Amino acid sequence: IAGITQAPTSQILAAGRRMTLRCTQDMRHNAMYWYRQDLGLGLRLIHYSNTAGTTGKGEVPDGYSVSRANTDDFPLTLASAVPSQTSVYFCASSPGGGNQPQHFGDGTRLSIL
Amino acid sequence: GQNIDQPTEMTATEGAIVQINCTYQTSGFNGLFWYQQHAGEAPTFLSYNVLDGLEEKGRFSSFLSRSKGYSYLLLKELQMKDSASYLCAVLDSNYQLIWGAGTKLIIKP
Repeated sequence: IAGITQAPTSQILAAGRRMTLRCTQDMRHNAMYWYRQDLGLGLRLIHYSNTAGTTGKGEVPDGYSVSRANTDDFPLTLASAVPSQTSVYFCASSPGGGNQPQHFGDGTRLSIL
Repeated sequence: GQNIDQPTEMTATEGAIVQINCTYQTSGFNGLFWYQQHAGEAPTFLSYNVLDGLEEKGRFSSFLSRSKGYSYLLLKELQMKDSASYLCAVLDSNYQLIWGAGTKLIIKP
């Protein structure tokens, strides 16, 4: 079934550790996005990529990095996790045009202790 | 700054009609999306409006007034499975989505 796969589903991590959240899509979408979702707040864009080989910063990029080596994969790395990064992380993709709806993965629930 | 306002929570009865409002103030406007998100799940696309007026899609309709910075999502013949959060998001002048915090809709029998 075509879609977006995120891994892990959930993770508990000690502060200061490095962590990579994986995201893979098989829809050949050009654009990919990473969001965090916190209680009472809207989805906030962390980083995005309009096409393979390019990335951009969203609203809350500090403490996170991304890469887009190919069309399918868009990993998100926390270099040194802090408790404020405890959140639910969603990866999304869209065909490319800004007015195209985004398709979301099932999310990664991350707790930083 | 950019701002999307939606009610935090609404309650409605099975079989009834409910209207969820969204007002926005953004730097530019290139369309408005509505998504549905069941608890613990991913958001899923419901509708997209870029021109003024009503777009109907089955039991769900979405309305846009660009001059008023206002949209609503209308859900008819409510079913228990419609219990979810409904997210309003605006595509700004940079073609980035600005998201509201969502409206949690509770359906009672």
